[in-house]
Amino acid sequence: SQQGEEDPQALSIQEGENATMNCSYKTSINNLQWYRQNSGRGLVHLILIRSNEREKHSGRLRVTLDTSKKSSSLLITASRAADTASYFCASSNDYKLSFGAGTTVTVRA
Amino acid sequence: DTEVTQTPKHLVMGMTNKKSLKCEQHMGHRAMYWYKQKAKKPPELMFVYSYEKLSINESVPSRFSPECPNSSLLNLHLHALQPEDSALYLCASSHLPETYEQYFGPGTRLTVT
Repeated sequence: SQQGEEDPQALSIQEGENATMNCSYKTSINNLQWYRQNSGRGLVHLILIRSNEREKHSGRLRVTLDTSKKSSSLLITASRAADTASYFCASSNDYKLSFGAGTTVTVRA
Repeated sequence: DTEVTQTPKHLVMGMTNKKSLKCEQHMGHRAMYWYKQKAKKPPELMFVYSYEKLSINESVPSRFSPECPNSSLLNLHLHALQPEDSALYLCASSHLPETYEQYFGPGTRLTVT
């Protein structure tokens, strides 16, 4: 059920820098969601953007959605060591989520 | 209570064993999900329960058998598994089946020997 790609696969940044990751999906969607997963644990929902929205903010997170290009981006500003995790986008359609391949982010102190 | 709990945390089983994974939520959510996640891969949807009825089965082999005894509980019965079934099994729930954020449990790490 994996639907899309994420770019980059891995990202290493210094604490305080911004992290940007991109996601592409293949079919029409109701919404696009982003999740974080720490080291083999459960996923935590970060933010949801509906198909009729173009940009959304939540704290240090900014998400954009371009339905014409079937793509989304997640920006984490002023990164912290605690942001070290894998980030997955998930497109929602037909009552189910399809996850992208994920981006592994490492924030160096 | 915004937590989804899963038991056990770890499970080692032989290929002839029968075991069950359990998932529980008390958020009043009416949709519950089972996912399988292999190392360094995204979660893959296995089953969706909507209002305690199985609504989606993603062509999962019959050695995996889901059960939803009530609106708070979700089980995954395992029988005659293969070593390639070793993975992290994640349970999730959402308010309604469509278009809502999902709350995930911590997962059960399954090893089939």
